Amino acid sequence: GQQLNQSPQSMFIQEGEDVSMNCTSSSIFNTWLWYKQDPGEGPVLLIALYKAGELTSNGRLTAQFGITRKDSFLNISASIPSDVGIYFCAVPLEYGNKLVFGAGTILRVKS
Amino acid sequence: KAGVTQTPRYLIKTRGQQVTLSCSPISGHRSVSWYQQTPGQGLQFLFEYFSETQRNKGNFPGRFSGRQFSNSRSEMNVSTLELGDSALYLCASRQGEEGYTFGSGTRLTVV
Repeated sequence: GQQLNQSPQSMFIQEGEDVSMNCTSSSIFNTWLWYKQDPGEGPVLLIALYKAGELTSNGRLTAQFGITRKDSFLNISASIPSDVGIYFCAVPLEYGNKLVFGAGTILRVKS
Repeated sequence: KAGVTQTPRYLIKTRGQQVTLSCSPISGHRSVSWYQQTPGQGLQFLFEYFSETQRNKGNFPGRFSGRQFSNSRSEMNVSTLELGDSALYLCASRQGEEGYTFGSGTRLTVV
């Protein structure tokens, strides 16, 4: 089945630093999604990308839909302590009725 | 509006028992999906229901089942529990082409 390769697995950064993470696949997708999961909670959708090459921002977060449609990137600028959590990329399959997730990137921020 | 509500939040069961988890979707949402999250396997799709019909099923054994009621509330059942079934079980709902909204999950521990 489809597999999303997400990296890095974890990051421990200083408050104020920028963060980059990405997801790649051998398959082509029409939509890429980025979620964040706080401890003890379910994932929350951060950004949705629908077009190859698209660059979309949500506050300090910026995500890009790769031009090959096989990858996506998420950047967080000027990280703050509340950015701590697990970030997942995901793609919808089966007409959007099923999500396949990457393994996640654990983000820790030193203040 | 109220979010996706999952009950109970925490559950401890013994091997061999069965368990039923409940999910109340956002009002008006007719699609409900279930996911299993474990440290080893990450977030994996269990099944998706729409208008009381299962539309998609993930690669899980038949011990995992679910159903949806006419008011869109959903339950999932796991029979003959195994230690490996210990996980966070997440429910998500959506309306039309919107993104999925996840609940906070039920943390199941099998001892």
